[in-house]
Amino acid sequence: GAVVSQHPSWVICKSGTSVKIECRSLDFQATTMFWYRQFPKQSLMLMATSNEGSKATYEQGVEKDKFLINHASLTLSTLTVTSAHPEDSSFYICSARDYRTSGIPTSYEQYFGPGTRLTVT
Amino acid sequence: DAKTTQPNSMESNEEEPVHLPCNHSTISGTDYIHWYRQLPSQGPEYVIHGLTSNVNNRMASLAIAEDRKSSTLILHRATLRDAAVYYCILRKALVQGAQKLVFGQGTRLTINP
Repeated sequence: GAVVSQHPSWVICKSGTSVKIECRSLDFQATTMFWYRQFPKQSLMLMATSNEGSKATYEQGVEKDKFLINHASLTLSTLTVTSAHPEDSSFYICSARDYRTSGIPTSYEQYFGPGTRLTVT
Repeated sequence: DAKTTQPNSMESNEEEPVHLPCNHSTISGTDYIHWYRQLPSQGPEYVIHGLTSNVNNRMASLAIAEDRKSSTLILHRATLRDAAVYYCILRKALVQGAQKLVFGQGTRLTINP
């Protein structure tokens, strides 16, 4: 199946600093990627939908100025957690679907990255 | 959006079949039933999906009730590596446009050796 990678796999940062997480589709193009957050023992919560070449769509309650999303190319989306605080510590996961350039999906499943564990001290 | 209901946890023994139920009584005619699983400290992994007919793949089988208000994911011979949280998710059938997946709490499956 298709592969989605994330970098870094884990990161520790100090409170007040910013952290960038990359999500790449390695063998397919993804016009749309999704960013999720998962706290311990909880389910995944969708944060935003990342669209290539346009602004991201954020879910209700997610601060767009705090979680900056840039979908620079058909294979790369980045999530920047700005001015991170301990409550932002979480497991961040991205996903993507394989789309042909025409926008028709080649498959129905979403491919998820391995996740990035962020710890803010 | 139609919701799904799953048991919080289930337990089974290695090399035995496992039946994971999912109720989706408010499912609409255009909703696909998707199953994903998440192993510890990993991103979710696609398992299977279906619309009306039962489906089989190398990982599992999906049995869909005739009225589509419930479905069952079947692992024919569980291994220790199948221990994970299993999510049953409904997805609208649209030709174009990416669709977000809304995850419920899922079922935590424990496999005993």
